[in-house]
Amino acid sequence: DIQMTQSPSSLSASVGDRVTITCRASQSISSYLNWYQQKPGKAPKLLIYAASSLQSGVPSRFSGSGSGTDFTLTISSLQPEDFATYYCQQSYSPYSFGQGTKLEIK
Amino acid sequence: EVQLVESGGGLVKPGGSLRLSCAASGFTFSNAWMSWVRQAPGKGLEWVGRIKSKTDGGTTDYAAPVKGRFTISRDDSKNTLYLQMNSLKTEDTAVYYCTTDAGGNPFDYWGQGTLVTVSS
Repeated sequence: DIQMTQSPSSLSASVGDRVTITCRASQSISSYLNWYQQKPGKAPKLLIYAASSLQSGVPSRFSGSGSGTDFTLTISSLQPEDFATYYCQQSYSPYSFGQGTKLEIK
Repeated sequence: EVQLVESGGGLVKPGGSLRLSCAASGFTFSNAWMSWVRQAPGKGLEWVGRIKSKTDGGTTDYAAPVKGRFTISRDDSKNTLYLQMNSLKTEDTAVYYCTTDAGGNPFDYWGQGTLVTVSS
């Protein structure tokens, strides 16, 4: 099974900050990496698929990069509605999620 | 509009069984690969299993913690996905979501979730 490891597990930041979350796969997954945002009590929402493609309707301040085993999600300028938990997911074989990164207001 | 509506959750004793349903609408269900994802209280997301479309073989895959206990099936005539859960353990307590790639991208649509509580 492919293990996904995110860092950090939690992060405090301010509105307007640039934030980066990293995700590492236990083996190469090419670009089969997706990012989700989840707010309390809600279902997850797809942000980024195939490592760097922005899902329709997602603001352009979100971006993803990486391939192989190392990936990043970047939020260029945090907005109040971005405080949430973020998960990476590999869809190479078949699926598994990282443990999540909780983004909190500083 | 794509809609996924889960039902069937509730309280069950350890060792018991439960069947969840996910009613789908707004897309061609028979063409979609469907998955179940769960989230234990205060914990992260855990993929449970997947069923491919019949045209892609209709095969299933499961996560290790549920393999041999859970079974995913689909009724394309009813646009409904099922999760049969047997030999339930307390650690199966979670909100269970159904999800699909109906929009062409991984897990781009999700249901609202249904809570399963396994407790004596």
